[in-house]
Amino acid sequence: ETGVTQTPRHLVMGMTNKKSLKCEQHLGHNAMYWYKQSAKKPLELMFVYNFKEQTENNSVPSRFSPECPNSSHLFLHLHTLQPEDSALYLCASSQVPGARRDTQYFGPGTRLTVL
Amino acid sequence: GIQVEQSPPDLILQEGANSTLRCNFSDSVNNLQWFHQNPWGQLINLFYIPSGTKQNGRLSATTVATERYSLLYISSSQTTDSGVYFCAVGINKFYFGSGTKLNVKP
Repeated sequence: ETGVTQTPRHLVMGMTNKKSLKCEQHLGHNAMYWYKQSAKKPLELMFVYNFKEQTENNSVPSRFSPECPNSSHLFLHLHTLQPEDSALYLCASSQVPGARRDTQYFGPGTRLTVL
Repeated sequence: GIQVEQSPPDLILQEGANSTLRCNFSDSVNNLQWFHQNPWGQLINLFYIPSGTKQNGRLSATTVATERYSLLYISSSQTTDSGVYFCAVGINKFYFGSGTKLNVKP
């Protein structure tokens, strides 16, 4: 248990569906992250939120839409995805991004399959 | 961005053996972490180690920042050590290596 939870743990969706991934952290952190992990690839940083403000968008297609209503919650809204978007989506949090002693804590991930 | 190379990509060990995993990175960083990803996908922090040496039970890590590499040592390996070990480095954001997949056989 890392203090970061994600729901759902598994999701199967069609290319025309709209779904959302949810992440919640119970660590009192101020920064939250979305990562994508595809088979045989390094983790790819997608978005960074610091104190609810988006500070990084790593050229992510607009079919992925993040939302951070407060420092404890992070969502990833999905629509018109492609089969190549199938991956493990990981949420993480840290006290403050870029700080010298910043440690990231990860949630268990959502395994997404796009049919 | 910063290039992160991990070696070896795959490692098979007999239970009880020792191993060394390596992480090379291409630029100066102020943050380096080692993670273990279990077969169910959960990433667990092992060490925050931008420089120096740390030990935690059977695991230890050393980072030589001036030479841009870090080593993770696993001693007396157990089947529960199986999974993928990732190195992540960065300054304002993290860059991950491709990982070392470890399989410890009973």
